[in-house]
Amino acid sequence: DAGITQSPRHKVTETGTPVTLRCHQTENHRYMYWYRQDPGHGLRLIHYSYGVKDTDKGEVSDGYSVSRSKTEDFLLTLESATSSQTSVYFCAISPGQAYGYTFGSGTRLTVV
Amino acid sequence: GIQVEQSPPDLILQEGANSTLRCNFSDSVNNLQWFHQNPWGQLINLFYIPSGTKQNGRLSATTVATERYSLLYISSSQTTDSGVYFCAFGDDKIIFGKGTRLHILP
Repeated sequence: DAGITQSPRHKVTETGTPVTLRCHQTENHRYMYWYRQDPGHGLRLIHYSYGVKDTDKGEVSDGYSVSRSKTEDFLLTLESATSSQTSVYFCAISPGQAYGYTFGSGTRLTVV
Repeated sequence: GIQVEQSPPDLILQEGANSTLRCNFSDSVNNLQWFHQNPWGQLINLFYIPSGTKQNGRLSATTVATERYSLLYISSSQTTDSGVYFCAFGDDKIIFGKGTRLHILP
């Protein structure tokens, strides 16, 4: 989507390796979110950020960490990837709580 | 915790038909949104609608906050309307329903 990009788009990694996914926005929005989407579970919130260096946990945060050192970038790190973390990861941005979300195109991660 | 239920889970319609999708939620409404995920996986925000009615072309949405439900109306369906429709709501973080999978037959 315009103004928000995720990288990489696809990644295959081995169990036990660290992985970092990047979400970059050019909209100067305050809020950024990481979701994962799995069959039968819909979209579940992993972590979110409400400002630079301000982050909080979502529904399924175990095994994930995040960092936001500047407004435009929100990084999601899997410290030691497991097969259960095979999923499609979506980043979303929003200017505030009373506004709609804009989603990125997603990152398909496969852990083998 | 917050719960969001969508119905029906699946819907198959002929092109040109109208449809109504429903979203029930368990708490006071904040940040109620509707999304469409197309067959290629892209998520598009359709409406931000914590209350009232909005329309955008063939799509419209109504949220009745006092009764804790929201409806998405699709009129004169086209094959490009196929995909999964999600509602979501919450405060600083929103929770998604499981979605309604819509298949429009040509």
